[in-house]
Formats: sequence, structure tokens, C-alpha cells
Amino acid sequence: IAGITQAPTSQILAAGRRMTLRCTQDMRHNAMYWYRQDLGLGLRLIHYSNTAGTTGKGEVPDGYSVSRANTDDFPLTLASAVPSQTSVYFCASSPGRDSGANVLTFGAGSRLTVL
Amino acid sequence: GQNIDQPTEMTATEGAIVQINCTYQTSGFNGLFWYQQHAGEAPTFLSYNVLDGLEEKGRFSSFLSRSKGYSYLLLKELQMKDSASYLCAPKDSNYQLIWGAGTKLIIKP
Repeated sequence: IAGITQAPTSQILAAGRRMTLRCTQDMRHNAMYWYRQDLGLGLRLIHYSNTAGTTGKGEVPDGYSVSRANTDDFPLTLASAVPSQTSVYFCASSPGRDSGANVLTFGAGSRLTVL
Repeated sequence: GQNIDQPTEMTATEGAIVQINCTYQTSGFNGLFWYQQHAGEAPTFLSYNVLDGLEEKGRFSSFLSRSKGYSYLLLKELQMKDSASYLCAPKDSNYQLIWGAGTKLIIKP
């Protein structure tokens, strides 16, 4: 089934530890995104990638890094986790980014708790 | 600044009709999306409007007025499975989606 796979589904992490959230899509979409979703707030964009080999900063990039070595994979790394990074993280993809009608397809999410 | 305003929560009865409103202020405009998100799940696409007017898709319809910065999602013949959050998201001049906090819709029998 075509779509986006995220791993892990959930994780409890000690503050200061490094963590990588994995995201893989099989739809050959050019654009990929990482969002975080917190209670009472809208989805907030962390980083995005318009195409393989390029990345850009979103609304809340501090403390996070991404890479886009190929079309399918877009991992998100927390270099040194802090409690404020406790959230649900969604990876998404779309055929492109710079046009209006590109529909985002979301992964199932990764619930991260930093203690 | 950019801002999305939609009600936090709404309650409706099974079989009825409900309208979820969204007002927005963005730097430029490149269409507006509505997504549905069931609790604990990912958002899924419902509709896209770029021109003024009503787009109908089965039980769901979405309306846009660009001059008023206003959209609504209309759900007819409500079913229990429609209990979910509904997210309004316009795209700005940089093609970035600006997400509202969502409206939690509770359907009662």
C-alpha cells in the first residue's frame, strides 16, 4: 500500500539524548515535511524539503535537523532532546511544494516524550 | 501576522447538518485546504478551494470567499464516524500551509 511510514510509533527519551525519527515514502513525491502537533495548537512546520538534496527551515526549526539524501527518506534528528520537544511528530509528503493544489499525505505520527 | 480562527469545539446530532467556519489572514493566498483528523490519527485530505464558491463532494462541501478571508466546511447527514477534528489551512504567498488549531466536532446520537 502506497504511503508514508514513520518509526518509531512512540518513544520515551531522557533529556539530553540524541534521537532520530525515520520517515519513508513510496509515492515518489518530491516534497517532504516534518510537523509537530501540540494540544491546542495548529500543526507547526519544523523543516521541509522541496526535492532530494535540498532542505529548508520551517516555523520551529531550532533543536532539529534533517537530511534528504534520496527521494524516499527524510529523517528528523533531535541532537540533544529537551522536555519542550515532547510532542506528536508527523511526516508528510506532496508531489511538489510550489503550487497551490499539492495535497499533503501524512504518516501515522511518532509520539515522543522527553523526560 | 498570519492568523487562522476556527471554533475550538462544536456538538451536533447524528443525521443533522453542521457548518464549521474558518476565517484567515495570510500574506498572499494560494488556496485553502480542509483536513479531517480522528483522535490519535494522521490528518487526511477533505477538500481544496482556490476560487470563490462552493465545492461539493458527497456529504461534504467547502465554501470560500477570498475577499472576506472566510471559508466553511459543511457536513450533511452526520454520522458517528464524523466525530473528529477539522483543520482549516490556507496557503500563503510562499506556498506554505498555515494551520488552524482545528475544530473538534462531537456527534451525539
